[in-house]
Amino acid sequence: QQPVQSPQAVILREGEDAVINCSSSKALYSVHWYRQKHGEAPVFLMILLKGGEQKGHDKISASFNEKKQQSSLYLTASQLSYSGTYFCGTEPIIQGAQKLVFGQGTRLTINP
Amino acid sequence: DAGITQSPRHKVTETGTPVTLRCHQTENHRYMYWYRQDPGHGLRLIHYSYGVKDTDKGEVSDGYSVSRSKTEDFLLTLESATSSQTSVYFCAISGQGQGVSTQYFGPGTRLTVL
Repeated sequence: QQPVQSPQAVILREGEDAVINCSSSKALYSVHWYRQKHGEAPVFLMILLKGGEQKGHDKISASFNEKKQQSSLYLTASQLSYSGTYFCGTEPIIQGAQKLVFGQGTRLTINP
Repeated sequence: DAGITQSPRHKVTETGTPVTLRCHQTENHRYMYWYRQDPGHGLRLIHYSYGVKDTDKGEVSDGYSVSRSKTEDFLLTLESATSSQTSVYFCAISGQGQGVSTQYFGPGTRLTVL
């Protein structure tokens, strides 16, 4: 079953913060975050593992709440380059073949 | 750069014609995947492969078939294309990212079925 992302879209001014959530109905082993620019392929950002630490990458970080099967992506002091659509890919504990199930995406627009 | 190419990058075809999309990787990864991406649906898995001649269905496999005769090539075939198969198709491989496996995507193929 597809994870649910929220919000579906968000518009920010440069320098503002954003949080994108990803919720699954299944017990998860990992959550993978991607960013996709218009007309391009999704690009891997980071992985959150069951029992793992919060990850960070420049001013983008993420957390994984195992009790709620929810991951959140935090973008602080957003830059114009952060614009794009963000996808979470979830790997259920019982899945195999390293398959991911992706959310429907969150469109992030950063304005000057 | 995960060394993944897709061909063709764009294709326009007519309903009822067969279409084959190719995914080529240069890094000897075991797992390969085909997704389609449509507005509002995110990425949905069509088929995947876990080795040469080893393939299995994903969540939206109806109307599609795949083949993998070599490690580096994974082919997706639409036996008789329909307008509902108009989409952007992405190939992915499973490789190492931050010490664990994640998926890396090819550049995509935009397919239009008239």
